[in-house]
Amino acid sequence: EIVMTQSPATLSVSPGERVTLSCRASQSVSSSLAWYQQKPGQAPRLLIYGASARATGIPARFSGSGSGTEFTLSISSLQSEDFAVYYCQQYKNWPRTFGQGTKVEIK
Amino acid sequence: EVQLVESGGGLVQPGGSLRLSCAASGFTFSDYNLNWVRQAPGKGLEWVSYISSTTAAIYYADSVKGRFTISRDNAENSLFLQMDSLRVEDTAVYYCARVAYGYGNYYFDLWGQGTLVTVSS
Repeated sequence: EIVMTQSPATLSVSPGERVTLSCRASQSVSSSLAWYQQKPGQAPRLLIYGASARATGIPARFSGSGSGTEFTLSISSLQSEDFAVYYCQQYKNWPRTFGQGTKVEIK
Repeated sequence: EVQLVESGGGLVQPGGSLRLSCAASGFTFSDYNLNWVRQAPGKGLEWVSYISSTTAAIYYADSVKGRFTISRDNAENSLFLQMDSLRVEDTAVYYCARVAYGYGNYYFDLWGQGTLVTVSS
């Protein structure tokens, strides 16, 4: 099983700041990496797939990078609606596995 | 509207059974592979099971293998999860999630709102 490790667990940020979230895979997943956003009481929403492609309707302030075992999700200027939990997920191998999540909270 | 709507959750005793359903609308259901993903209270996401569009491929997480059965009815645009021998640790919100269309696109591009399963005596 591929273990996905996200850091940090929590990020305290002020609106307008740039944030960078990290995700590491225990073995290479090539570019088979997705990022999801989840707000309290809501289902996850796809943000990024293929490590760097934005999903339909996702603002340009969200960007993904990386390949192999190291990945990052960046938000260029944090908006109030971006405070949420972010999960990475590999879809290279079975079982599909998620990171434990990074909570982005208001500073 | 393109959507997935889960139902069937509730309170069940350990050792009991429950059948979850996921109704799809707004897209050609039979073209898509589907999953169940769960989230225990206050915890992260855990993939549970996968079924291909034709049911030719089915996979389970080790934590549910032998106890849960995934199925689908393409005529009724519905996905199911039969859960037997339920344990306290199966308590979670269960989401159905659609796999994006196209070869190699194995990420989850559409999620339902979830249904809560509570296993407790």
